[in-house]
Amino acid sequence: NAGVTQTPKFQVLKTGQSMTLQCAQDMNHEYMSWYRQDPGMGLRLIHYSVGAGITDQGEVPNGYNVSRSTTEDFPLRLLSAAPSQTSVYFCASRRGQGPYNEQFFGPGTRLTVL
Amino acid sequence: AQSVTQPDIHITVSEGASLELRCNYSYGATPYLFWYVQSPGQGLQLLLKYFSGDTLVQGIKGFEAEFKRSQSSFNLRKPSVHWSDAAEYFCAVGALRTNAGKSTFGDGTTLTVKP
Repeated sequence: NAGVTQTPKFQVLKTGQSMTLQCAQDMNHEYMSWYRQDPGMGLRLIHYSVGAGITDQGEVPNGYNVSRSTTEDFPLRLLSAAPSQTSVYFCASRRGQGPYNEQFFGPGTRLTVL
Repeated sequence: AQSVTQPDIHITVSEGASLELRCNYSYGATPYLFWYVQSPGQGLQLLLKYFSGDTLVQGIKGFEAEFKRSQSSFNLRKPSVHWSDAAEYFCAVGALRTNAGKSTFGDGTTLTVKP
């Protein structure tokens, strides 16, 4: 049971480049989400999904797209990277939509945009 | 709207000393409250959670937290800190199903442990 996995661990992009951050979970969790972590700002929700085929915006969605074609995978796409997107990105999953359930986090992707 | 405040950005304690990390929340109903720990270079791990019942909850690694509704607080405590407890700690509040179960995190408290 690998839990939540994220690839890559590190990435450097130039402004304007695009890329996809991968996230997968093997716990059959319905709820998945993407956060970004910036110094002194905690974790901010980018997008989330309550099940396959269903996604919605979080607190800071601009510049990011997501899709959820399967229960297991929840990729995050940066269409045209900007220096403001330099951050550490965490994917998380939990069982069901109930907020009382624990979130399981991946190890993170550290992204630098030059 | 729900919100979480962690008033202390950075705390330093000596190994063996007691620890209390503060968390205040704002939410219109009974909240679902969590404490997570993040070791350097790692993702977040759940320490403990509260959503009903006994207001003093026990977690992993010897941590406990007390829910005080009158003070809108959910402070994390540990009687004797170990060097391995050095990490960043996040308090979080969970929303009801009507808000799609979204969670809000505090800005975090970094704990340094002196030998």
